[in-house]
Amino acid sequence: DADVTQTPRNRITKTGKRIMLECSQTKGHDRMYWYRQDPGLGLRLIYYSFDVKDINKGEISDGYSVSRQAQAKFSLSLESAIPNQTALYFCATSDSRGEGYNEQFFGPGTRLTVL
Amino acid sequence: QKEVEQNSGPLSVPEGAIASLNCTYSDRVSQSFFWYRQYSGKSPELIMSIYSNGDKEDGRFTAQLNKASQYVSLLIRDSQPSDSATYLCAVNKMGTYKYIFGTGTRLKVLA
Repeated sequence: DADVTQTPRNRITKTGKRIMLECSQTKGHDRMYWYRQDPGLGLRLIYYSFDVKDINKGEISDGYSVSRQAQAKFSLSLESAIPNQTALYFCATSDSRGEGYNEQFFGPGTRLTVL
Repeated sequence: QKEVEQNSGPLSVPEGAIASLNCTYSDRVSQSFFWYRQYSGKSPELIMSIYSNGDKEDGRFTAQLNKASQYVSLLIRDSQPSDSATYLCAVNKMGTYKYIFGTGTRLKVLA
């Protein structure tokens, strides 16, 4: 079974709709992240959370919000989707403790298309 | 200057050859370095992490770090067509949230 899962894997929606992307992990990691990837721009951080009570904006948080419902769950919401939010979205986790403690592991991604 | 720079490629090598991928970074306080492999439309997969100067080997992969020159490289020995992918370099200042990713080098291994 995958350690980091994302749902949905693909989503097509219309401008103005509210969308939620969900991420769950069984790795026991305390840190979770949301990235988006666009061709030629690489991975860009949207939000990150170091524990359930600690949520922080990344470099491109405008138009997005997040919720850390539990250590294992981190959701990303687009309150009112717009076409330039069309991208691949990845959830990632890392562990602040132990050997290899800041290695990031990525979920399978969600391909979001906003029409 | 980009914080993490990689040649976009494509880098083409024949099957069985050594592929050499390079990455330079600008922040001298960067302390952790990672190589990811990403197939088209898929998620990045961690291949190697390296924290100290020198070489680190894992199977057919060797990561090399030179902090004085601010570069990190990945060597893939006995390259296989299945190694054809985009390789992402990432750097992190230990303990911080910020992971800076390069835009990747596309590797093509020719059968």
